[in-house]
Amino acid sequence: KQEVTQIPAALSVPEGENLVLNCSFTDSAIYNLQWFRQDPGKGLTSLLLIQSSQREQTSGRLNASLDKSSGRSTLYIAASQPGDSATYLCAVSSNDYKLSFGAGTTVTVRA
Amino acid sequence: DTEVTQTPKHLVMGMTNKKSLKCEQHMGHRAMYWYKQKAKKPPELMFVYSYEKLSINESVPSRFSPECPNSSLLNLHLHALQPEDSALYLCASIRVAGGDEQFFGPGTRLTVL
Repeated sequence: KQEVTQIPAALSVPEGENLVLNCSFTDSAIYNLQWFRQDPGKGLTSLLLIQSSQREQTSGRLNASLDKSSGRSTLYIAASQPGDSATYLCAVSSNDYKLSFGAGTTVTVRA
Repeated sequence: DTEVTQTPKHLVMGMTNKKSLKCEQHMGHRAMYWYKQKAKKPPELMFVYSYEKLSINESVPSRFSPECPNSSLLNLHLHALQPEDSALYLCASIRVAGGDEQFFGPGTRLTVL
């Protein structure tokens, strides 16, 4: 069974600092890894999708890396802003339909 | 259009009521999902429909009854719920199985009294 772990569980940084969020998974036989953002009481917004054959994906200030052999992904958010405050979830697709989610990292960016 | 919509946004129901949640997508996606999310926890998968057929039921109690009338629409019928069923119910969709990006709706906040 795929187990996904996110460290740290919570993070508080001053505005302008770079954010580093970690995700690890136990089974390297994956289709892809997806990073999501969730604001309180809202749905999940897809940030980045990395296919198993890829090493990284970038979108604006966001960059996600994937090391499938070691079961790790890292999400970098450059020059954080208060609007980046949210919970960030990583999820791994290991079969045709199911996503295995980590518990999330709750980020607070202080103005 | 990369949007999954859900109605209603909020729902309060008694334990004897019957209600339904609705989810729609017009992206041509052929797999649709229902998740349940409790506070400060990740989403838990409930059901998956693929090509309008139920392909995964994660041992969900029968008081939750999914329905997929067509490729764009997914319903979740609720009956005789318990207070512990109060949660955020999320719908999601993907183009086809395996390797695709999953898109989520905004959720329905359900409170069972």
